[in-house]
Amino acid sequence: QKEVEQNSGPLSVPEGAIASLNCTYSDRGSQSFFWYRQYSGKSPELIMFIYSNGDKEDGRFTAQLNKASQYVSLLIRDSQPSDSATYLCAVLPPSGSARQLTFGSGTQLTVLP
Amino acid sequence: GAVVSQHPSWVICKSGTSVKIECRSLDFQATTMFWYRQFPKQSLMLMATSNEGSKATYEQGVEKDKFLINHASLTLSTLTVTSAHPEDSSFYICSAIDTGGQSYEQYFGPGTRLTVT
Repeated sequence: QKEVEQNSGPLSVPEGAIASLNCTYSDRGSQSFFWYRQYSGKSPELIMFIYSNGDKEDGRFTAQLNKASQYVSLLIRDSQPSDSATYLCAVLPPSGSARQLTFGSGTQLTVLP
Repeated sequence: GAVVSQHPSWVICKSGTSVKIECRSLDFQATTMFWYRQFPKQSLMLMATSNEGSKATYEQGVEKDKFLINHASLTLSTLTVTSAHPEDSSFYICSAIDTGGQSYEQYFGPGTRLTVT
């Protein structure tokens, strides 16, 4: 079982719709969870992080965390063609271990105009 | 968010030569930096963890004598690809942890595209 799993996609949504990206993780002690966006040929860009159960909103983006289900998601409201990219979920391991993030393989999102 | 720079953004070198890539945290101190490599249409692959003032920790399968890492200050880490070969051509990306942040956020540099001819 992979430590961080994402649907590879591709996920296509029409412009203006809500895009929902999902991620599950295996280490129940994981502390923090990050969503990165990576455009083709570019490096990842941090969109949001969350460490408490519930929702965290930032503009059109909402991160949702459910530690009991080991599940984290990213919702993109009013999707725009410029949101088309690969979205990477990353998990910070429990404290005391190395601080390196464990990345999922990414979900490719296409927003259709 | 915090800013990480990389230099150069792209480089072309001849087979057998060495190339040095710099990674700098511009507005925060980073005791820990990471070096990744990414081939086209593939996931990020962690190469090594660089800690200021100590030896880097390399991932399994990454040759430490080929990929030399130096993290001499809290804002600078360098990756030197020694005796580069065409198969080393890739997108090299560094990242740095903002230890002053809320949750050990990791910020990426813009990447360096290496082409070995």
